[in-house]
Amino acid sequence: GQQLNQSPQSMFIQEGEDVSMNCTSSSIFNTWLWYKQEPGEGPVLLIALYKAGELTSNGRLTAQFGITRKDSFLNISASIPSDVGIYFCAGQLIQGAQKLVFGQGTRLTINP
Amino acid sequence: EADIYQTPRYLVIGTGKKITLECSQTMGHDKMYWYQQDPGMELHLIHYSYGVNSTEKGDLSSESTVSRIRTEHFPLTLESARPSHTSQYLCASSVGGVQETQYFGPGTRLLVL
Repeated sequence: GQQLNQSPQSMFIQEGEDVSMNCTSSSIFNTWLWYKQEPGEGPVLLIALYKAGELTSNGRLTAQFGITRKDSFLNISASIPSDVGIYFCAGQLIQGAQKLVFGQGTRLTINP
Repeated sequence: EADIYQTPRYLVIGTGKKITLECSQTMGHDKMYWYQQDPGMELHLIHYSYGVNSTEKGDLSSESTVSRIRTEHFPLTLESARPSHTSQYLCASSVGGVQETQYFGPGTRLLVL
């Protein structure tokens, strides 16, 4: 099946540092979504991107829809302890059934 | 904030029991989905529905079944639970259309002994 390559798989950072993660694929997507999941909970939508080149912010979070439609990144500025969790990207393929394809997740750990 | 609910949140059950995981949404979304997720791992689509009386199997083979009799309700049933079914089950819904955004419920953590 279609795959998204999400990196890094895990990050260990100090509080206050900026974070950057990305997803890439050989396939073309018409939607990119970024979710955060905390233990025992469902993923919570952070940012939705619908147009190539689109750059969208949500507080300290910024995400971009790659111009080639094959990638997306998420940045978190000035990390705080409550940013801890697993971040997933998800893309909707431009062709075929309109299901989402999920990345493998980036586990973020923050040292206070 | 999404209005999508799952019950129970946690379930511990013995092998061979029949279980039904409930999922309801109050947003009037046509599309609903069930994902299976092991802790900290990626999500795998096991069932989806594009509307009432429509159900399809997802990318990951599952022994579970689903039904969609009402727009807001998308229950998942396991006729005979086994330890290999132990996992987290996530329900999601979306309004549909060319570009869709899925909203997730809180999940049901299932442990089969």
